[in-house]
Amino acid sequence: NAGVTQTPKFQVLKTGQSMTLQCAQDMNHNSMYWYRQDPGMGLRLIYYSASEGTTDKGEVPNGYNVSRLNKREFSLRLESAAPSQTSVYFCASSLRFTYEQYFGPGTRLTVT
Amino acid sequence: GESVGLHLPTLSVQEGDNSIINCAYSNSASDYFIWYKQESGKGPQFIIDIRSNMDKRQGQRVTVLLNKTVKHLSLQIAATQPGDSAVYFCASLVPGGTSYGKLTFGQGTILTVHP
Repeated sequence: NAGVTQTPKFQVLKTGQSMTLQCAQDMNHNSMYWYRQDPGMGLRLIYYSASEGTTDKGEVPNGYNVSRLNKREFSLRLESAAPSQTSVYFCASSLRFTYEQYFGPGTRLTVT
Repeated sequence: GESVGLHLPTLSVQEGDNSIINCAYSNSASDYFIWYKQESGKGPQFIIDIRSNMDKRQGQRVTVLLNKTVKHLSLQIAATQPGDSAVYFCASLVPGGTSYGKLTFGQGTILTVHP
């Protein structure tokens, strides 16, 4: 099993550009999550999907949208990137809602 | 509100020593705790978890201790190896019933193991 995969690994955007971060898991997990990680701060939840067909806002959802495409895939979209969105983004999944989350390798995003 | 913090931001040990990483949480309603290891350039890796109805849980070379009275948990790593060098995060969950609940991550402790 590949676990949780994320694409791309690195991305540089100009302010105002849009992009979609892709995430897929092959563990048949029900729940999926998007986090951002900034220097000196812990992981902060952006959006989550408790089960296929549902999505909800987390702690810092402004400027982002998500799509739970199917049970395997959960994408994060930045409609109009801002420098404040420069961060490392992690996707995670878990079999049961909330518990024992497995993380992908991350996407390092820079917005200039 | 909930906060999860670490007493020591860095910890340096010699190979073979035992390591103890500490974490404090503020919300007594937290009922689930997790430790993650994050190596440079990688995503967090689940190490061990513990529920609030337990005081201690052991894994392979790792033990998590939970003291609900003082809202403190620790991660003990036995016979620390250079491969254990990483950032270690604790996280705590305040349940939200049918909703997500609030999982709060600490900032992390940097563990450096010297050969």
